[in-house]
Amino acid sequence: AQSVTQLDSHVSVSEGTPVLLRCNYSSSYSPSLFWYVQHPNKGLQLLLKYTSAATLVKGINGFEAEFKKSETSFHLTKPSAHMSDAAEYFCVVSDRLGSSNTGKLIFGQGTTLQVKP
Amino acid sequence: SAVISQKPSRDICQRGTSLTIQCQVDSQVTMMFWYRQQPGQSLTLIATANQGSEATYESGFVIDKFPISRPNLTFSTLTVSNMSPEDSSIYLCSVTPGAKKETQYFGPGTRLLVL
Repeated sequence: AQSVTQLDSHVSVSEGTPVLLRCNYSSSYSPSLFWYVQHPNKGLQLLLKYTSAATLVKGINGFEAEFKKSETSFHLTKPSAHMSDAAEYFCVVSDRLGSSNTGKLIFGQGTTLQVKP
Repeated sequence: SAVISQKPSRDICQRGTSLTIQCQVDSQVTMMFWYRQQPGQSLTLIATANQGSEATYESGFVIDKFPISRPNLTFSTLTVSNMSPEDSSIYLCSVTPGAKKETQYFGPGTRLLVL
């Protein structure tokens, strides 16, 4: 079965400093992994996705994530935080039945990113 | 990608009543899903809305409580029946365009408060 674990429920950074949101996954097959962001009172927006191409994935708003199979990790990073980055971030893995993608998503518990001025 | 709208965006309802949430997509999509996000929690999949057939429900969710319709490839409804305060949540629909079923796009959500 597939699962994701977000290692921090809350991360606080100062504006202009790097952001690191940690995610570990468990999957029987090569996974498809995603990061979504949810701003207060807004829907979910796709930040980036990994689908077995390049292991370093670049997303929107300066975010990127690196797929590390040896560590079963898919951490999200950004070199310099902006106040507008304050939001809830979800690490997500595609559900699979055997080697086939079912189309369903399995969500981590979320990490709240606080950005201090 | 896909542009998804939901109606209503928010509502306050009395316990024992029902609310139907609509989800409209700007293009035909094969797969549509309904999720629940309880306060301060992550997203939980309620069901997959299948066009022309009954929805497929996840463990812990039943059709009597959450009836779903999917009359065509661009529209679906979720009804929250006989509501209680525990049903207060954000309800989101999502779609997966394309045959690879890789990426899901989400609607803005419906914020429901049950008193």
